[in-house]
Amino acid sequence: AQSVTQLGSHVSVSEGALVLLRCNYSSSVPPYLFWYVQYPNQGLQLLLKYTSAATLVKGINGFEAEFKKSETSFHLTKPSAHMSDAAEYFCAVSDTGGGNKLTFGTGTQLKVEL
Amino acid sequence: GAVVSQHPSRVICKSGTSVKIECRSLDFQATTMFWYRQFPKQSLMLMATSNEGSKATYEQGVEKDKFLINHASLTLSTLTVTSAHPEDSSFYICSATSGGLRYNEQFFGPGTRLTVL
Repeated sequence: AQSVTQLGSHVSVSEGALVLLRCNYSSSVPPYLFWYVQYPNQGLQLLLKYTSAATLVKGINGFEAEFKKSETSFHLTKPSAHMSDAAEYFCAVSDTGGGNKLTFGTGTQLKVEL
Repeated sequence: GAVVSQHPSRVICKSGTSVKIECRSLDFQATTMFWYRQFPKQSLMLMATSNEGSKATYEQGVEKDKFLINHASLTLSTLTVTSAHPEDSSFYICSATSGGLRYNEQFFGPGTRLTVL
């Protein structure tokens, strides 16, 4: 069985500050890991994914995440927050790839303040 | 990127009626579509996986007679909530993939908000 834990249902940062959204996973096999973003009244959009290649993954909109097996973590970061980054972020895990069953975390609402 | 649409975006119905939600892949052929359910402030929970031309595979605890899924073509899957009750009120999200289970991405629809009175 696989699972994802996202610490912090709400995160607030100032514009220009570092964004750090935490995700820890549990998987019995080498995982595929994903971060999705959901804007109000829109579908989920893939930010980035880890598929056992490089442990530091770069995604869209300046986001990146680092896979740390020893810590079973896949935290999402962005050096400088922008107002447009305000959204809900979901971490997800799959044991067979992005085109198959995904298990999602509970989501983190990111608020960006002036 | 690939676009997935859902219709309707919102629906309000009376208890006991059936509601059909459509999920369409607009610019690609979706060999597999997934249906998720999202409660407020909770995670997306996979309800079922549907492959074109075959019966859907339901997750444990999901009533297949209540949530009827049809994937009749490579661009359309439908979810019918039969005899809906207030506890079925939720946000339903579909996703679609074009195959290649290892690396392919799921493309998500914008969701359908179902309210059962």
